[in-house]
Amino acid sequence: DIVMTQSPDSLAVSLGERATINCKSSQSVLYSSINKNYLAWYQQKPGQPPKLLISWASTREFGVPDRFSGSGSGTDFTLTISSLQAEDVAVYYCHQYYSTPQTFGQGTKLEIK
Amino acid sequence: EVQLVESGGGLVQPGRSLRLSCAASGFTFDDYAMHWVREVPGKGLEWVSSINWNSNYIEYADSVKGRFTISRDNAKNSLYLQMNTLRPEDTAFYYCAKAATHGLLDRWGQGTLVTVSS
Repeated sequence: DIVMTQSPDSLAVSLGERATINCKSSQSVLYSSINKNYLAWYQQKPGQPPKLLISWASTREFGVPDRFSGSGSGTDFTLTISSLQAEDVAVYYCHQYYSTPQTFGQGTKLEIK
Repeated sequence: EVQLVESGGGLVQPGRSLRLSCAASGFTFDDYAMHWVREVPGKGLEWVSSINWNSNYIEYADSVKGRFTISRDNAKNSLYLQMNTLRPEDTAFYYCAKAATHGLLDRWGQGTLVTVSS
């Protein structure tokens, strides 16, 4: 199984500041023949299901604010929120869909400082 | 608008069974694979099972293999999870999720809570 490890486990950032969450996979999730990373980021607010923010490591879903961006390839990935807003308080998960079983990071809890 | 509505959760004793359902709408159900993912409160997300569009390809997490059975009824736009021989460690919110291309889980239901306790 591919193990997904996020850092940090929790993060407190001031409003308007940058938030950065890292995700490392135990094996590459890059499908080299099509040059795509099978890596997604989700946002989960209390009492709600996960919401897909970014797929293929860096493709923002329709309607997701452009302050959210994803980067990385192979085994190392980053989710960046360029200017934190109050509504961004949530738990963020990375997720690999490269192989079965699909696996998730342990989550990063993002709060306002 | 894509909607996924789970039902069937509840409190059940260890060793007993429960059947979850997921009613889908807002998309062509039989065009897509579907998955079940669970979340232990306060802990993380665990993928449970998946089924392709015509039920020919089914996979399970090792933790539920032999106890859980995933199925679908495309005529009813519904997904199911039959859970047998339940254990306390199966206690979780269970989400059904629609898979876009290549297994990406692009839409999730609100979840249904399963509590396994005596």
